[in-house]
Amino acid sequence: GQNIDQPTEMTATEGAIVQINCTYQTSGFNGLFWYQQHAGEAPTFLSYNVLDGLEEKGRFSSFLSRSKGYSYLLLKELQMKDSASYLCAPLPTGKLIFGQGTTLQVKP
Amino acid sequence: EAQVTQNPRYLITVTGKKLTVTCSQNMNHEYMSWYRQDPGLGLRQIYYSMNVEVTDKGDVPEGYKVSRKEKRNFPLILESPSPNQTSLYFCASSFNVMNTEAFFGQGTRLTVV
Repeated sequence: GQNIDQPTEMTATEGAIVQINCTYQTSGFNGLFWYQQHAGEAPTFLSYNVLDGLEEKGRFSSFLSRSKGYSYLLLKELQMKDSASYLCAPLPTGKLIFGQGTTLQVKP
Repeated sequence: EAQVTQNPRYLITVTGKKLTVTCSQNMNHEYMSWYRQDPGLGLRQIYYSMNVEVTDKGDVPEGYKVSRKEKRNFPLILESPSPNQTSLYFCASSFNVMNTEAFFGQGTRLTVV
């Protein structure tokens, strides 16, 4: 079966750093995506990891440990516009599945 | 502009009245899928299609139908909508199902009364 676990809500301060964790169990594994979704809008792609380690892209970084079934998304220098839901999406064989998402609220 | 287009954006309908939500992509993507998003349940896959004339059930296919007669279009059909199908629906496409990002349509907010 498939199982994805990430915190429901997080709060952080503008300018700070926040780490959003995701653990997963899937039948087969072909990588893991992170998507950002603002309220009422479509998800948009942030990152993709297929090998263990850290992928950095500007203020956002994503980490993967395949042996532990674990990933995190790191957001640096938080801005108010980063208030959104962040969806962890592992890729088992044949389909893309999503966690319930972590709603991040950035406060001034 | 590369995009996935869904129509309509908003729809209120009555129980039992057949409806179709259209989805079209202009990126020549092979893989297309439909999701519904409900509070506390996240995005759940309804149906997906690996290519033309190839469709398969996702996690919540009951009450829905799809077709993939041409590469660009992947309509979602509700033959007899019920109130429990009230939801926010997203169509998505990607080059293939593997290591390529998915592009999402703008979403369709459906209310069945």
